[in-house]
Amino acid sequence: TQLLEQSPQFLSIQEGENLTVYCNSSSVFSSLQWYRQEPGEGPVLLVTVVTGGEVKKLKRLTFQFGDARKDSSLHITAAQPGDTGLYLCAGVMIKAAGNKLTFGGGTRVLVKP
Amino acid sequence: DTGVSQDPRHKITKRGQNVTFRCDPISEHNRLYWYRQTLGQGPEFLTYFQNEAQLEKSRLLSDRFSAERPKGSFSTLEIQRTEQGDSAMYLCASSVAGRYTDTQYFGPGTRLTVL
Repeated sequence: TQLLEQSPQFLSIQEGENLTVYCNSSSVFSSLQWYRQEPGEGPVLLVTVVTGGEVKKLKRLTFQFGDARKDSSLHITAAQPGDTGLYLCAGVMIKAAGNKLTFGGGTRVLVKP
Repeated sequence: DTGVSQDPRHKITKRGQNVTFRCDPISEHNRLYWYRQTLGQGPEFLTYFQNEAQLEKSRLLSDRFSAERPKGSFSTLEIQRTEQGDSAMYLCASSVAGRYTDTQYFGPGTRLTVL
């Protein structure tokens, strides 16, 4: 059982549609990060959220950290083929040694033109 | 580009051989992490360094694995007597230590295939 559960595991949508990816846990995190990973490459940081209830926007991407700091969501508006990739949430658990990251299993997003 | 670099990008080896990977972090980042990612999964923490000190090792890191960061800059991860189950992407990340969170920047990874 993973500490961070991502859903859905796979999402296939048409260009122009919206999508939401969820990241849930029963544990509290001091911070949470979202990454996007292309095949054969390392994860690339999209955003870090630290405060419960925080909302951050990055162009068409909106990230939210739950009030209790146990969950997060990523919403993409008007998805484009360039948004295709593996989206990973990763959190730093309270008192985690060295602020090591605990990752979710990832959500694979495919945006078809 | 002064991001995290890893070498080699790909390594194919036969079972029982030893392999060594190198990671060069972002300059002046005092923390360096190693993660392992198997196909279709998220990365899993292996170990981390603050400067040259290795401060935590995951239970995933068996005694066949050893990591070093001798001068607090680059790091190496060695796997002895490789097994097919070691096949994975090995990711390195670096950060500047923060009180509650570090923003970790990842390298491109080393893909290991054990035949």
